[in-house]
Amino acid sequence: DVKVTQSSRYLVKRTGEKVFLECVQDMDHENMFWYRQDPGLGLRLIYFSYDVKMKEKGDIPEGYSVSREKKERFSLILESASTNQTSMYLCASSSDRGRNQPQHFGDGTRLSIL
Amino acid sequence: AQSVTQLDSQVPVFEEAPVELRCNYSSSVSVYLFWYVQYPNQGLQLLLKYLSGSTLVKGINGFEAEFNKSQTSFHLRKPSVHISDTAEYFCAVSESGGSYIPTFGRGTSLIVHP
Repeated sequence: DVKVTQSSRYLVKRTGEKVFLECVQDMDHENMFWYRQDPGLGLRLIYFSYDVKMKEKGDIPEGYSVSREKKERFSLILESASTNQTSMYLCASSSDRGRNQPQHFGDGTRLSIL
Repeated sequence: AQSVTQLDSQVPVFEEAPVELRCNYSSSVSVYLFWYVQYPNQGLQLLLKYLSGSTLVKGINGFEAEFNKSQTSFHLRKPSVHISDTAEYFCAVSESGGSYIPTFGRGTSLIVHP
């Protein structure tokens, strides 16, 4: 089974801090994703990476950046955390064998910015 | 570009009753369709998927979904729900030949009452 591991389940940070969320997958997937989940808004894509060092902006990239130095690891960075970035963050991965491949999700990181 | 509409944001139901969660999509090309389930404080996990062939798809935990091309729908059903089915359910679509980024609906919260 594919395992997507997010480094923290819960995280509390202060406004202005630089925050790193880490995600690791063990199935050699090419594609990795960062989503933000808020009540009533569903999943919103922040960034997508289709290969090492390659990335594409999603729907809401403002205030975020990403890093993918190794295939198995995809990091989300909040450059200067703000209270409106308090949310549930979900990492996912998928194979590039076809558009019919499902995504595999981590358990999420619930981030609170105080 | 594709879009997904989950018509009900919340569906309350009594235990052992049948349930249908509705999903409609919009696309001009062939699609792949997915249902995911998210239990409280967890990530999403794949419930079932339609890729091709038989329009009735069976998934885990007794769920099934029917692909209706003419009505562009992919409704999820279960004949008898349990308390443990209480969760958020997401419908997603990917286009054949399109991006590796699927489009998600906003989710339906299934609440099963004893």
